[in-house]
Amino acid sequence: GNSVTQMEGPVTLSEEAFLTINCTYTATGYPSLFWYVQYPGEGLQLLLKATKADDKGSNKGFEATYRKETTSFHLEKGSVQVSDSAVYFCALRKGGSEKLVFGKGTKLTVNP
Amino acid sequence: GAGVSQSPRYKVAKRGQDVALRCDPISGHVSLFWYQQALGQGPEFLTYFQNEAQLDKSGLPSDRFFAERPEGSVSTLKIQRTQQEDSAVYLCASSVVRDNYEQYFGPGTRLTVT
Repeated sequence: GNSVTQMEGPVTLSEEAFLTINCTYTATGYPSLFWYVQYPGEGLQLLLKATKADDKGSNKGFEATYRKETTSFHLEKGSVQVSDSAVYFCALRKGGSEKLVFGKGTKLTVNP
Repeated sequence: GAGVSQSPRYKVAKRGQDVALRCDPISGHVSLFWYQQALGQGPEFLTYFQNEAQLDKSGLPSDRFFAERPEGSVSTLKIQRTQQEDSAVYLCASSVVRDNYEQYFGPGTRLTVT
């Protein structure tokens, strides 16, 4: 079946550090890939997405590239801020289906 | 504009009670989704509506779970005879139309079954 595997958290970084959160997926066909973020006390928000191989999604300094050969969609940011502290979820949507399949989430804490 | 709203935000139920969780999607959004998020886990799909039609209910864990959207707007997720394993955050999301459109999530209802 379709599934998403994220790196285990929690992740704790100092401000301005480089961030990578690994995400790999299993799916038939060509899924769309997403990163969602959940800030404390708020609902899930779409951070970025990519709909086909080699697409790069980007938003708020975050980037992720759809790598079909490695079935990966790793999230990166060059310099994190305290305000980036949140839980990050990788997700996929298989073509022809409406539902999102999520990973377990990775909690990021950025210290000043 | 107003986002997706859910009520109540918190619900405590005794085991065996029935509960009803409400979702108000963004006005004009055709598609509506329910997800269940257990503690420390990612959201898991429960069911999906397009207007009033329930097109996919493959994620509903048992026949105690029932969802409806009778007029194609507000939706209610009902859980009968609640069990402790039903304790979770129930998330509602809506989107404009199908496929490749962003799902906008509500804040969720945290259900605790004691």
